[in-house]
Amino acid sequence: ETGVTQTPRHLVMGMTNKKSLKCEQHLGHNAMYWYKQSAKKPLELMFVYNFKEQTENNSVPSRFSPECPNSSHLFLHLHTLQPEDSALYLCASSPQLSPLNTEAFFGQGTRLTVV
Amino acid sequence: GENVEQHPSTLSVQEGDSAVIKCTYSDSASNYFPWYKQELGKGPQLIIDIRSNVGEKKDQRIAVTLNKTAKHFSLHITETQPEDSAVYFCAAALNTGGFKTIFGAGTRLFVKA
Repeated sequence: ETGVTQTPRHLVMGMTNKKSLKCEQHLGHNAMYWYKQSAKKPLELMFVYNFKEQTENNSVPSRFSPECPNSSHLFLHLHTLQPEDSALYLCASSPQLSPLNTEAFFGQGTRLTVV
Repeated sequence: GENVEQHPSTLSVQEGDSAVIKCTYSDSASNYFPWYKQELGKGPQLIIDIRSNVGEKKDQRIAVTLNKTAKHFSLHITETQPEDSAVYFCAAALNTGGFKTIFGAGTRLFVKA
C-alpha cells in the first residue's frame, strides 16, 4: 500500500449521472494530483493542488470538477460524461510541489466506465 | 511543451535475462526522471529515479542511466524474474514555476519462466 486511498475502485455511470471520486492520503503531503490513464496512452495530468490551491488545470473539460477541501482529501466531481471519458483515474500525492522532492505516491485508481 | 517517448511498447524476455527500456525527452530544462512500475490492478509505484546532476544510479537489480546531451535515459533490469512482469513508465519532470511530470506511454514487460 502506498498510503493513498481511492474510492470507489470501480464505477459505471450513465452519461446523465453525477458522481464523485474520492482520494485521501495521510502521508502529510502537500501536493495532490489527478491523472487520467487510458489504454496505450501516457498518463495525462489533469489537475494539481498545492496546499489546497489549484495550480494546474491541463485544459480539462468542465464536466470534470476537482475539489480539495484540505491537504489530505481530493475529489473529482463528474457530470454529463462521454463514453470516451472511460479510463482509470489515478490520484497521487507528493511531499512538495518541486522537482527536488517529487516522488509521487499513487493510489490504486478508480476504473470508470461511462455507458 | 515537454514530450517523452518510450520504447519498446512491449518487451518479452526469458527469466534471468536483462531488460532495457529507453526514453527520450524534448525539454532540456527537465531535471528529474522517475521510473514507475504498475502491476495489474494497482497504481504506478516509483522504483528508481535520477536527477540531472548524475549520470547513473543503481539499486540492486535496477539501474538507470541519463545522457543529458542526447536527452536519453534508460532503465536496466538485470537477472529478471517473473515478478518483474508489469508495465513500466518513464517520466520527465520540469519545474516551470508550477510543476509538471510528463509520462511516457509505458512498456509492458513479460518475463517468461
